[in-house]
Amino acid sequence: DIQLTQSPSFLSASVGDRVTITCRASQVISTYLAWYQQRPGKAPNLLIYAASTLQSGVPSRFSGSGFGAEFTLTISSLQPEDFATYYCQQLDSYPWTFGQGTKVDIK
Amino acid sequence: EVRLVDTGGGLVQPGGSLRLSCEASGFTFTTYSMNWVRQAPGKGLEWVSYISSTSSTIYYADSVKGRFTISRDDARNSLYLQMNSLRDEDTAVYYCARDRGIVGAPFDYWGQGTLVTVSS
Repeated sequence: DIQLTQSPSFLSASVGDRVTITCRASQVISTYLAWYQQRPGKAPNLLIYAASTLQSGVPSRFSGSGFGAEFTLTISSLQPEDFATYYCQQLDSYPWTFGQGTKVDIK
Repeated sequence: EVRLVDTGGGLVQPGGSLRLSCEASGFTFTTYSMNWVRQAPGKGLEWVSYISSTSSTIYYADSVKGRFTISRDDARNSLYLQMNSLRDEDTAVYYCARDRGIVGAPFDYWGQGTLVTVSS
């Protein structure tokens, strides 16, 4: 199985900050990577797919990059509604796996 | 509007069974593959099972293989997860999610989730 490791697992930031989350895969997965946001008590919401394609309706302050085995999610200017947990997911091969999550909290 | 509604969760004893349902609307159900993903309390996301649009391809996570069965009823626009021989570690919120059934297709819409609690 492909393992995904996110870093950091937790980060504390302020409104307006630039935030970067990294996701490393245990093997090359081309650009078959998605990012999701999950607010407490809610279902995950797709932000980015194919490593860097913004899902329709997602604010442009979210961006993704990477190829192969290392990927990043960047929030250019953190907004109050962005405080949530973020997960990466590989879609290269079964079984599809998720990273352990990165919780973004208010400083 | 795309909508996925998860139902069927509840409290069940270890060794028991439960059937989850996911009713889809707002899109052509027969053109999408479907998945179940679960989240144990306070934990991360775990993919559970996949069924292709024609039901010809089915996958399971090793943790549920032989105990859970995924199926779909296209006439009812519904996805199901039959869960047998339930264990304490199956306690989780279960979400259905759709994908386009091609390599790299993300899970672009999710149900609201239904809570399954396995406890004596």
